Amino acid sequence: KNQVEQSPQSLIILEGKNCTLQCNYTVSPFSNLRWYKQDTGRGPVSLTIMTFSENTKSNGRYTATLDADTKQSSLHITASQLSDSASYICVVSRYNDMRFGAGTRLTVKP
Amino acid sequence: DVKVTQSSRYLVKRTGEKVFLECVQDMDHENMFWYRQDPGLGLRLIYFSYDVKMKEKGDIPEGYSVSREKKERFSLILESASTNQTSMYLCASSLQGRWQETQYFGPGTRLLVL
Repeated sequence: KNQVEQSPQSLIILEGKNCTLQCNYTVSPFSNLRWYKQDTGRGPVSLTIMTFSENTKSNGRYTATLDADTKQSSLHITASQLSDSASYICVVSRYNDMRFGAGTRLTVKP
Repeated sequence: DVKVTQSSRYLVKRTGEKVFLECVQDMDHENMFWYRQDPGLGLRLIYFSYDVKMKEKGDIPEGYSVSREKKERFSLILESASTNQTSMYLCASSLQGRWQETQYFGPGTRLLVL
């Protein structure tokens, strides 16, 4: 069983709408949690990073939240754009390794 | 901006061939990584290197080897390609803290083994 589980696997929304992607992890203890965006045919790019003590982090229309007690994180995308169509990957770092979720494939339709 | 480049975007090879995938980064990063990415499985670490000529096995090193002769270049070698090595291969680099620093990824190489 993967130590980082993401849901949903895929999501289709209309342009302009908001959406929330989920990440549950069992990795412990952890150093930080990142969300990456991966456009089709490209490598992942870091969106946000949160340490254990941070609850929320924003990057433009992207807002990540972290609940270290329940080991859950979410990525909220506001006013979606066509360019938000991509895979979003949750990554949890420990002292001695890094664990990747399988990603959520988001499609934004006009 | 950090730039990580990979030698090929697409490769088609035959079973049993020796395959070289090359990765170059231009930001003087200490650490370099090779991952494979398969649908539904996420990224899985094959090998990583924290210094020239140093390497450590990741989660799935079987069937692969690596070489880091220069700081900026990290090569992944498939000694005898097999069909189950058909995948997307991603190279990444990071500054110092191996697992705490942001990793910068290349565009990936999609390998098809026939």
